[in-house]
Amino acid sequence: DAGITQSPRHKVTETGTPVTLRCHQTENHRYMYWYRQDPGHGLRLIHYSYGVKDTDKGEVSDGYSVSRSKTEDFLLTLESATSSQTSVYFCAISEGRAGGTGANVLTFGAGSRLTVL
Amino acid sequence: RKEVEQDPGPFNVPEGATVAFNCTYSNSASQSFFWYRQDCRKEPKLLMSVYSSGNEDGRFTAQLNRASQYISLLIRDSKLSDSATYLCVVNIGFSGGYNKLIFGAGTRLAVHP
Repeated sequence: DAGITQSPRHKVTETGTPVTLRCHQTENHRYMYWYRQDPGHGLRLIHYSYGVKDTDKGEVSDGYSVSRSKTEDFLLTLESATSSQTSVYFCAISEGRAGGTGANVLTFGAGSRLTVL
Repeated sequence: RKEVEQDPGPFNVPEGATVAFNCTYSNSASQSFFWYRQDCRKEPKLLMSVYSSGNEDGRFTAQLNRASQYISLLIRDSKLSDSATYLCVVNIGFSGGYNKLIFGAGTRLAVHP
């Protein structure tokens, strides 16, 4: 299995508090992604990174920020958590730009389950 | 209309059965297609890519029908271990700096003894 770890795996927090989720990879892959998964919806891209300090928005980026100061770490921050951000968050990596085969296949971490009360 | 639609199921089948799932997509410019498998409370994992000519991997066969804009997954001789949610994924192309992957909400399969 690819070396991707997410932390924390579970978190319960209150509305208005900041939350940071961490994704750490040992594969030296260039691309890293944060997705959220909600019942009845497919996974939706929040932000992605194509290199150190190179990040960009996905389709559901409002209320989220990211940082990538090292190849191996990609942080997702909720500056002020809201109940609508209760979700399961998955980090993913790919060697090339995801969407093709081979090096462009997405590999996911185990997920972080966030509950905002 | 969702960009990628799947029947949520669940599909309840006995061991040894053959089961097929369809996934429809709305963007005719879609470029590549995949099936991922997700076990309960686990991460999605790539099951197989879907090629234009159709492809097979053991008991699993994937087909693409561009004219009707759907992909299918056929599982033969179902095993208990096949119980999972199957996610259809469509790459609709380069948009906003990245290849935009659209995930279906998944089809749940439950195989019983």
